[in-house]
This record gives sequence, C-alpha cells and structure tokens, in this order.
Amino acid sequence: DTEVTQTPKHLVMGMTNKKSLKCEQHMGHRAMYWYKQKAKKPPELMFVYSYEKLSINESVPSRFSPECPNSSLLNLHLHALQPEDSALYLCASSQDPASTDTQYFGPGTRLTVL
Amino acid sequence: AQSVAQPEDQVNVAEGNPLTVKCTYSVSGNPYLFWYVQYPNRGLQFLLKYITGDNLVKGSYGFEAEFNKSQTSFHLKKPSALVSDSALYFCAVRDMGGGSYIPTFGRGTSLIVHP
Repeated sequence: DTEVTQTPKHLVMGMTNKKSLKCEQHMGHRAMYWYKQKAKKPPELMFVYSYEKLSINESVPSRFSPECPNSSLLNLHLHALQPEDSALYLCASSQDPASTDTQYFGPGTRLTVL
Repeated sequence: AQSVAQPEDQVNVAEGNPLTVKCTYSVSGNPYLFWYVQYPNRGLQFLLKYITGDNLVKGSYGFEAEFNKSQTSFHLKKPSALVSDSALYFCAVRDMGGGSYIPTFGRGTSLIVHP
C-alpha cells in the first residue's frame, strides 16, 4: 500500500479564517513533506519533517504553520491567508529523507482564498 | 548543486505512435532520477526511478526511461501512446554526491496524445 491521503479535497476560505489541512500515511515512512503547486508548475517545497521533527522550512510565511503530531500524521494550519496562496497543496512521504526511497504523493487539497 | 531541465513545455503525439519526453540533469555526484505523472487536479504519481544498474528502467503503465550518463539525460519513452497518457510529466533529480536530499523537479512537460 503506497497511499497518502489528504483531507479535505477542496477548501474555500476567507482571508480572516483559520483552517487546517490534514495528511496521513500508514507506510511507516519517517519523512513527510508539504508542497505548494500552482497550475501547470512544478511543486514547490514548503516544509520537511524528518522523524517527526521539522528539518526544513523553505522560508515559508508564518501564516502557514506545520505540525507533525505523530509519525503517520502531518497537518498544515492556515491563518490570515492571501488570495495568492490559492493553490494545490500536496503532501508526500518517503521512507527516510536520506535514502534513495521514492516520494509518494497524496491527491492534494485544492485551496481557494477569497 | 542539482538541477534538471525539461526542454519542452508540450509534446504532441498521435495515438499508437511512440512518445519521448526529454529530461537532462546536472549533479556533482551520482544522480538519482525519477519520473512522475500528474493528471488534472490530482497528485503526482510515481512512474519509475533510476538509482544504479541497468540503464534502461521499466516503470508503470508501459513507460520506460533510459539513463545516459555521457549525455546527462533520462528521457521517458513509451512504444505506443494512448490518449489516456495525456497528462503533465515531471522529471526529478537528487544529487547523492553531497547535494540536497530533497529532489529538484523540472518545470514539467504537458503530453497531449491525439486520437
């Protein structure tokens, strides 16, 4: 089973709202990633968690706040977003960040900020 | 430093014809190379990867890719295209010679297969 699940599939929020994106995997992977993807562009790395600790933050604005409650779950908390934050948010996982293992991606959450 | 280039924004091919989606890379050490496919409003799906060994790698859905070290290329191929292969294809590279352990993605190539 190489499935990464993400909820919700779609999210519409106003600029003053607080919402969260959720990602889950049960493959025993110890590295989890958040990416942002604009239409027809490659995914842009936002955060990496390695063994449940934040290891990479690609200078993401503080209105995005990641959380890794346990080895299977990854959340992305959203607050005071801007319309330009509208995008597809992808979660991915891999066995170990330093290995040759493949990244497996979830289906994404389509976020619209009004 | 690691980088990857997909020189074509779009590739058009007739159904039943062979297809090639190009990818070239630059690394300081040995490359780990990946191909992913993305259908509209979906996440990226893993197709195949090259780590070491045989230069011809076979993957999902009848796709294969050939690693060419001298030309620093890793082109994706399929002998007979299907309309359902129409999607966005991403090449990615990791430099195992001391570079980032996070893959770098190419800009993507849109494959359109005409009936």
